[in-house]
Amino acid sequence: AQKITQTQPGMFVQEKEAVTLDCTYDTSDPSYGLFWYKQPSSGEMIFLIYQGSYDQQNATEGRYSLNFQKARKSANLVISASQLGDSAMYFCAMREGSGAGSYQLTFGKGTKLSVIP
Amino acid sequence: DAGITQSPRHKVTETGTPVTLRCHQTENHRYMYWYRQDPGHGLRLIHYSYGVKDTDKGEVSDGYSVSRSKTEDFLLTLESATSSQTSVYFCAISRDRGSKNYGYTFGSGTRLTVV
Repeated sequence: AQKITQTQPGMFVQEKEAVTLDCTYDTSDPSYGLFWYKQPSSGEMIFLIYQGSYDQQNATEGRYSLNFQKARKSANLVISASQLGDSAMYFCAMREGSGAGSYQLTFGKGTKLSVIP
Repeated sequence: DAGITQSPRHKVTETGTPVTLRCHQTENHRYMYWYRQDPGHGLRLIHYSYGVKDTDKGEVSDGYSVSRSKTEDFLLTLESATSSQTSVYFCAISRDRGSKNYGYTFGSGTRLTVV
């Protein structure tokens, strides 16, 4: 079974509108962390936001927020007021556990977001 | 900027030849990783290191070996390159929570083509 599932291969959003990118995860470990990364066409991987499994509040970073629903095992990324520069691939990733082996990240297959002017 | 440098940035090689990719970091991070990125697969872990001479396999380690003789350098070797190893390779380091920029920082990637 996939550990990270991103069900939207591609999405379109109008400039200045909000958009939600879906991510569901599968783990039996009570300690885990969820990350979102942005990959523009230039290819670099840019860290956006992090949510820990024990965090009480949803993470926010500027225009990015993470809608964390632990019981449903979902960690959706919300981008408010989309900009043309938000057009990119977006990856959800998970880090399980807290020991030495927990430093590995498992990635979803990504969602390609296109912002329309 | 974590000071991660990957070399080369691009490489074309022939099937059956050995290839070594280098990852160099300047911040003394303990954990380093090699991932490959292929369309439709996201990023998949090849090998990782948790210290000098301490390495372990990831999800797609077949056909790859790694070495870490110094904290700052993590080498990925394709012993005999195959066309299925044509990919974009990313090196990464990880920081502990509580550190600035918690999480992973990635290098710029190496685009490898095996012909």
